[in-house]
Amino acid sequence: GAGVSQSPRYKVAKRGQDVALRCDPISGHVSLFWYQQALGQGPEFLTYFQNEAQLDKSGLPSDRFFAERPEGSVSTLKIQRTQQEDSAVYLCASSLRTSGETQYFGPGTRLLVL
Amino acid sequence: DQQVKQNSPSLSVQEGRISILNCDYTNSMFDYFLWYKKYPAEGPTFLISISSIKDKNEDGRFTVFLNKSAKHLSLHIVPSQPGDSAVYFCAAFSGSARQLTFGSGTQLTVLP
Repeated sequence: GAGVSQSPRYKVAKRGQDVALRCDPISGHVSLFWYQQALGQGPEFLTYFQNEAQLDKSGLPSDRFFAERPEGSVSTLKIQRTQQEDSAVYLCASSLRTSGETQYFGPGTRLLVL
Repeated sequence: DQQVKQNSPSLSVQEGRISILNCDYTNSMFDYFLWYKKYPAEGPTFLISISSIKDKNEDGRFTVFLNKSAKHLSLHIVPSQPGDSAVYFCAAFSGSARQLTFGSGTQLTVLP
């Protein structure tokens, strides 16, 4: 496909369960970003990859959050021992250049933790 | 501490008229600004951007204005169409941080 894709689109997890969210960026895009969007708010930065290197993870809210992009294309955001406050939409974005100023977003994964 | 603010949560405009969406920012280190449009259950869609060295950028019905001294930008849509009804997010980019900082969004409703 031409755009950024994410899976699953919806995920319901019980508190304490681990989840893994997948992002397929636009082919050839060097930079990949994860954002978290709470209801009624704008997306908030979580982490950034340039190829396979995670250059910034300052937005990850706790050490329960982990992201990887081992081959410089597909990325996975993992949340361990989910809590109710993790409920949000998780957005992935990719950008063609290393500068990363124009980012194209996927549809997001809506996570609900019960 | 919100670095990017959209003070109007909603805006209603008649079809064919101009829509003006506003955004203020506090960080003078931002060097690129973008507008995204978002429909329910979809991700944000890139609309238009402007570099901090410019004061205007136009693309079809969409024009973004930047006033650096006031730390203010606006998106003008003219003429507005019912299909423009969506949430519009203003975002600012810092080359040093390489992340987008978003406002909280403005729900635009274009009435037929």
